[in-house]
Amino acid sequence: DGGITQSPKYLFRKEGQNVTLSCEQNLNHDAMYWYRQDPGQGLRLIYYSQIVNDFQKGDIAEGYSVSREKKESFPLTVTSAQKNPTAFYLCASSQGTGLRYEQYFGPGTRLTVT
Amino acid sequence: RKEVEQDPGPFNVPEGATVAFNCTYSNSASQSFFWYRQDCRKEPKLLMSVYSSGNEDGRFTAQLNRASQYISLLIRDSKLSDSATYLCVVNKGARDDKIIFGKGTRLHILP
Repeated sequence: DGGITQSPKYLFRKEGQNVTLSCEQNLNHDAMYWYRQDPGQGLRLIYYSQIVNDFQKGDIAEGYSVSREKKESFPLTVTSAQKNPTAFYLCASSQGTGLRYEQYFGPGTRLTVT
Repeated sequence: RKEVEQDPGPFNVPEGATVAFNCTYSNSASQSFFWYRQDCRKEPKLLMSVYSSGNEDGRFTAQLNRASQYISLLIRDSKLSDSATYLCVVNKGARDDKIIFGKGTRLHILP
């Protein structure tokens, strides 16, 4: 089955630790995205990548880093510099960039930092 | 005016009723619009695109009003399974590929 996978579904970390969230897609999509969603809030864009080895900051990139070494993979690292890391993190992909291409989402990772 | 604004609800509607809600956007240059559905603690899923001429998919109808800068979603003969949060998605502008998600409208269909 084609789709986007994110693991783990639930992740718990201590404050001060970096943590990497995985995102893999086998849809052969060029573009990939990371969003964060807080309770009662809309999705906010963290980073996006239009092509391998290239990525751009979204609206709330501070405290996060990404890499895009392979088309299928777009891992997100939440660093200790991120002040409020506890959130629901969603990865998405689309065939291309631009809104004419619908975004498809993975199941998300709920990160809790204590 | 917020970039994308939705009534958060919740809208409590009896099963079988028709329900409609709007989403307003601030940038008149926005070109593309979508409705996504998000179930509790799940990822958003594309419900339908919103075309200038309006479009219909079964019980769902989406419309765009450029003059007043809003899109609407109408659900007819609502089912219990329609209970979810409906997210409005708009691109930032004609030259900006970035998209903005609204905070969503919560819909509860009552038996």
